[in-house]
Amino acid sequence: GNSVTQMEGPVTLSEEAFLTINCTYTATGYPSLFWYVQYPGEGLQLLLKATKADDKGSNKGFEATYRKETTSFHLEKGSVQVSDSAVYFCAEGGGGGNKLTFGTGTQLKVEL
Amino acid sequence: DTAVSQTPKYLVTQMGNDKSIKCEQNLGHDTMYWYKQDSKKFLKIMFSYNNKELIINETVPNRFSPKSPDKAHLNLHINSLELGDSAVYFCASSQVGTGRGYGYTFGSGTRLTVV
Repeated sequence: GNSVTQMEGPVTLSEEAFLTINCTYTATGYPSLFWYVQYPGEGLQLLLKATKADDKGSNKGFEATYRKETTSFHLEKGSVQVSDSAVYFCAEGGGGGNKLTFGTGTQLKVEL
Repeated sequence: DTAVSQTPKYLVTQMGNDKSIKCEQNLGHDTMYWYKQDSKKFLKIMFSYNNKELIINETVPNRFSPKSPDKAHLNLHINSLELGDSAVYFCASSQVGTGRGYGYTFGSGTRLTVV
């Protein structure tokens, strides 16, 4: 079956540092790609998405570009804040049954 | 208005008991899901229903039984609870077509602790 691989965490950064969280997928064709964020004690929230090659999803200063040639969808933010501390999940949606396949999540901790 | 609501938020129970978790969505979505999140934050799909019909049933012990009385509700009943069932259970809903960019809307989770 399809799988999504994310870099392992936890990732610890100082405030205003640059963030990259790597994500690659194995699905063939052109699945939709998503990043979700989970703040402590809450459910997952959709952060951004892209539905075709070279699309860039963006939201709240976060960006990710759909790279078909490298089957990747890396999450970036130019200047992180303490409030960005959360767990970030990459996901692909192209499987049958409307199924989203999630990566294992990457915990981000931002310190002052 | 909460889009996807789960009850209860916390559930502490003894081994061997039977418990239910309820989920309701007011988004008009056709598909609903149950996911299990373990202590390392790994998310695993358990079940998916589309308009009351079961369409995904992953390898889950048959002690877990989902029920969808209508497309806005998906409940999860667990018999004979075991210590390993302790986890956070998330309900989610979506329009048909994750491949076309429709993501999921998640509930806030039910933290189940079996003692």
